[in-house]
Amino acid sequence: QVHLVESGGGVVQPGGSLRLSCAASGFSFSRHGMHWVRQAPGKGLEWLSFIWYDGTNHYYADSVKGRFTISRDNFKNTLFLQMNSLRPEDTAVYYCARKVYSDSDASRGHFDFWGQGTLVTVSS
Amino acid sequence: DIVMTQSPESLAVSLGERATINCKSSQSVLCSPNNKNCLAWYQQKSGQPPKLLIYWASTRESGVPDRFSGSGSGTDFTLTISGVQAEDVAIYYCQQYYGTPGFTFGPGTKVVIK
Repeated sequence: QVHLVESGGGVVQPGGSLRLSCAASGFSFSRHGMHWVRQAPGKGLEWLSFIWYDGTNHYYADSVKGRFTISRDNFKNTLFLQMNSLRPEDTAVYYCARKVYSDSDASRGHFDFWGQGTLVTVSS
Repeated sequence: DIVMTQSPESLAVSLGERATINCKSSQSVLCSPNNKNCLAWYQQKSGQPPKLLIYWASTRESGVPDRFSGSGSGTDFTLTISGVQAEDVAIYYCQQYYGTPGFTFGPGTKVVIK
């Protein structure tokens, strides 16, 4: 069955960097677009970034544009999020989520599977 | 970016009663060419990741109990839980996936048992 396992979270100082990974299994990873979504403590869900199934296009929320970079390795079935210039307000649980497969729309689609999340804490 | 709002913020319902959650988008999320609303509902229980309940505004995800139903079109949507069970205590989020690249979520509605 579908599994998404995030890793790479931890405690980092403001201005620091962190690289999150999302290991995918149980499905054809290279056929699905993938998202990163975060949730600050006690807050709602915030979409961060999306990458096409083949990695050719990616999109970002304004809150992370220029600081975060999404990428993927379809040979290793892994999604990444490189986070630079981290701020205290970036403290959150970070989830990867799979975009439902579509043969007609590489961008639009609901998120049909989510990982368990990894906690990032930005604090001095 | 499309802004999503939800009401109420919190909802206390007796077991077996109906719960109704409203979601409004700042612009239409009717997608072309399939003419379906690009609107999903997710359930998040405490300490767990979100779980997909409804997509295309009214299509129930496989395995989701039929007491969950979605309706609406354009900018106004509703999630209904017909006969709330104890296991339905959660926060419910609507989300639009029309406005690529912004896949915005609503602020969430917390459902508790009265």
